[in-house]
Amino acid sequence: GAVVSQHPSRVICKSGTSVKIECRSLDFQATTMFWYRQFPKKSLMLMATSNEGSKATYEQGVEKDKFLINHASLTLSTLTVTSAHPEDSSFYICSAPTQGGDSPLHFGNGTRLTVT
Amino acid sequence: QKEVEQNSGPLSVPEGAIASLNCTYSDRGSQSFFWYRQYSGKSPELIMFIYSNGDKEDGRFTAQLNKASQYVSLLIRDSQPSDSATYLCAVNIAGSQGNLIFGKGTKLSVKP
Repeated sequence: GAVVSQHPSRVICKSGTSVKIECRSLDFQATTMFWYRQFPKKSLMLMATSNEGSKATYEQGVEKDKFLINHASLTLSTLTVTSAHPEDSSFYICSAPTQGGDSPLHFGNGTRLTVT
Repeated sequence: QKEVEQNSGPLSVPEGAIASLNCTYSDRGSQSFFWYRQYSGKSPELIMFIYSNGDKEDGRFTAQLNKASQYVSLLIRDSQPSDSATYLCAVNIAGSQGNLIFGKGTKLSVKP
């Protein structure tokens, strides 16, 4: 079946460094991907919509200069957390609809980011 | 503001019983409805999706949709301890390219 692959699954970095997270659609093309963040015992929060070949759409309150999104191809979107701080520590998850429109979203396995 | 409401639980049922999870949504334009299961520390996993009024069954899972009441539910028959997780209801945003609104989830605990 359709698979969304996310890498890395876990990363620990020092405050002030940048971290890149990759999200790949393995057997389908994804013109749109979604990036979510989830704090412990909290709901998923949509951060931004990644659009292939154009700028990402960010949700209100999400700093676009801090969370850089690049969707350079139909199978790859990246999220870069720039100048990470401890408050950026969270679980980041990407997702993509397999057929566009109202088809189900499939999620990557998520990236646990810890900033020390 | 478009919203998806779920009882946060925890919902506790004995092993073998039927677990009933409920969800209401505010956007009458929504056409697609999804249930995801999320184990602690893991990403959500798609369980069921339903587009039409009525029931849709898949193994031990049955999704029920009533668009007039803006209500969707998930029934889990013969509940197992491995079903213990948080269940997320998600509804599409009408006119969007796959964007979903998620409820906050209902935590289900199945006791052996």
